[in-house]
Amino acid sequence: AQTVTQSQPEMSVQEAETVTLSCTYDTSESDYYLFWYKQPPSRQMILVIRQEAYKQQNATENRFSVNFQKAAKSFSLKISDSQLGDAAMYFCAYRSTQGGSEKLVFGKGTKLTVNP
Amino acid sequence: GAGVSQSPSNKVTEKGKDVELRCDPISGHTALYWYRQSLGQGLEFLIYFQGNSAPDKSGLPSDRFSAERTGGSVSTLTIQRTQQEDSAVYLCASSSARGRVYEQYFGPGTRLTVT
Repeated sequence: AQTVTQSQPEMSVQEAETVTLSCTYDTSESDYYLFWYKQPPSRQMILVIRQEAYKQQNATENRFSVNFQKAAKSFSLKISDSQLGDAAMYFCAYRSTQGGSEKLVFGKGTKLTVNP
Repeated sequence: GAGVSQSPSNKVTEKGKDVELRCDPISGHTALYWYRQSLGQGLEFLIYFQGNSAPDKSGLPSDRFSAERTGGSVSTLTIQRTQQEDSAVYLCASSSARGRVYEQYFGPGTRLTVT
């Protein structure tokens, strides 16, 4: 079974600075998807960025980018120019492409605090 | 358009009572998922519906949990004889086939408290 590990329960960053959130995963599959979700206090899970394992190029969405290291099974999220609205729980998630199951396997999350 | 909605937003129930949680997916989305978010366990998959196919129930923690999806749209998660360990936020998500990546859109969740 796949597992996702987020080793940083909490992180903090100064407004306008850059922060990197770590995520590692364990799988024997060669094709899969990886996601970062943001969960503010409202509880609404919001997709931040996604990466398809067969793509070598790292995904980027505005101030959010990933460092996808397939051999190392690492998928970190970099937030540039941090804003107060970025404060939230961030979850890394894995989705298999096999077996017909489209469930997401989540890490335990990293709580990000943005200091003014 | 409207997103995924869930009701109720919060539910407090006594141990041993049955509860029903409702999810309205985004219109036209064929896939629907239930997840549970609790302090000790993080986010756990419960059940997955895709069109008319048999649901993937592999994540349901016990036979006290069941879910149905009527008419390929609204879903109800039922917990019978609730226990205190059932206290959690129950999240619903839906998705539509769009290329190879099926993005899951989440609802705001139902916070269940069992006293």
